[in-house]
Amino acid sequence: EIVLTQSPGTLSLSPGESATLSCRASQSVSDSFLAWYQQQPGQAPRLLIYGAFSRATDIPARFSGSGSGTDFTLTISRLEPEDFAVYYCQQYGSSPWTFGQGTRVEV
Amino acid sequence: QVHLVQSGAEVKRPGASVKVSCKASGYTFINFDINWVRQAPGQGLEWMGWLNPSNGNRDLPQKFQGRVTLTRDNYKATAYMELSGLNSGDTAVYYCARGFGGSFSDWGQGTLVTVSS
Repeated sequence: EIVLTQSPGTLSLSPGESATLSCRASQSVSDSFLAWYQQQPGQAPRLLIYGAFSRATDIPARFSGSGSGTDFTLTISRLEPEDFAVYYCQQYGSSPWTFGQGTRVEV
Repeated sequence: QVHLVQSGAEVKRPGASVKVSCKASGYTFINFDINWVRQAPGQGLEWMGWLNPSNGNRDLPQKFQGRVTLTRDNYKATAYMELSGLNSGDTAVYYCARGFGGSFSDWGQGTLVTVSS
């Protein structure tokens, strides 16, 4: 089973700043099958990025994904108030599919 | 517009089973896998398995094999997840999600299952 470790656990930033979230895998994620989700309190997660760098439908361009192998990054440029949330990475290259433990982006 | 609407909250005794439904609309049901993901209170996300509505193929993590049953009714465009042998550790919000090549593009609203004696 691939273990995903996200860092930092919490990121304290202000609107307008940029956020860099890391997701490290215990073994290589095949074909960069890595996704990122945003979850607001009390809501279901929302797909942001799939295939490591492709934005999902209607996701703003300030969200970008990068990386390959075992190291992946989600960058949020110019944080908007609605971006303060918890973010999860997920790998789907090897069953069982697994999630990271999440990074909270807070004001 | 894709919609996944789940059944309502449940309270179960330890040892019981629960069956959660997920009704899909806005797309061709048999063309996309349905996944199940759960989230314990204050915790992260845990994938429970996927089902291919077209051919019935499925994959579940080993920890859920023997306890989770994934089924579907294509005529109703509805998927079901049944979890047996409930214990307090199964208290969580259970989500269904439409598969998108292994990622999850659309999610249901979640179903809270509480296991309590």
